[in-house]
Amino acid sequence: QSVLTQPPSASGTPGQRVTISCSGGSSNIGTNYVYWYQQLPGTAPRLLIYRNDQRPSGVPDRFSGSKSGTSASLAISGLRSEDEADYYCAAWDDSLSGPVFGGGTKLTVL
Amino acid sequence: EVQLVESGGGLVQPGRSLRLSCVASGFTFDDYAMHWVRQAPGKGLEWVSGISWNSASIGYADSVKGRFTISRDNAKNSLYLQMNSLRAEDTALYYCANGRIWGPPDGSWGQGTQVTVSS
Repeated sequence: QSVLTQPPSASGTPGQRVTISCSGGSSNIGTNYVYWYQQLPGTAPRLLIYRNDQRPSGVPDRFSGSKSGTSASLAISGLRSEDEADYYCAAWDDSLSGPVFGGGTKLTVL
Repeated sequence: EVQLVESGGGLVQPGRSLRLSCVASGFTFDDYAMHWVRQAPGKGLEWVSGISWNSASIGYADSVKGRFTISRDNAKNSLYLQMNSLRAEDTALYYCANGRIWGPPDGSWGQGTQVTVSS
């Protein structure tokens, strides 16, 4: 059971906009930044979003993050087949004194 | 180019020990916090341990506290994870990752080293 809650799956067709939610609590998302990672099949995770809504260099602006209260969302616009991957949210947890991850969302591009 | 290369994984019996290493290049190692994150087969990501740039801050997941020890050698650009009293549930791919701040990894990840605990 992960500290942060994500839907196990999401899907969309090419060109569509999809969102993935991440729900936490006052000790993590409620008071700290949210991070998002993309894990393509058979590869290591890579940072997609940091500090709620910031994109590292090289990440397309089709990817965007937002946070409100104890929840966060990752939005992917102009969906492409290469976006098919697992997506994880994370945040520092003040109670656990360490980062916590969501269980991951498997995105399927139909 | 940033590179994080893990090694030291393998097949080990329950109760035994293993030491993982991660050698870093392409960035100023002692400017970054470092983390170990694992992924059990078919499962999600789980933070295992982290260490600040100067080793002043160290943290462990409850699942490994008292059994695992993280350390770093900035002169050798290396991160370590000493794993003792290994259990079947420690079986996973272990990644090292860096971070500019003491928080979730916000930089690069290695390709991982596989640890399998089985008799």
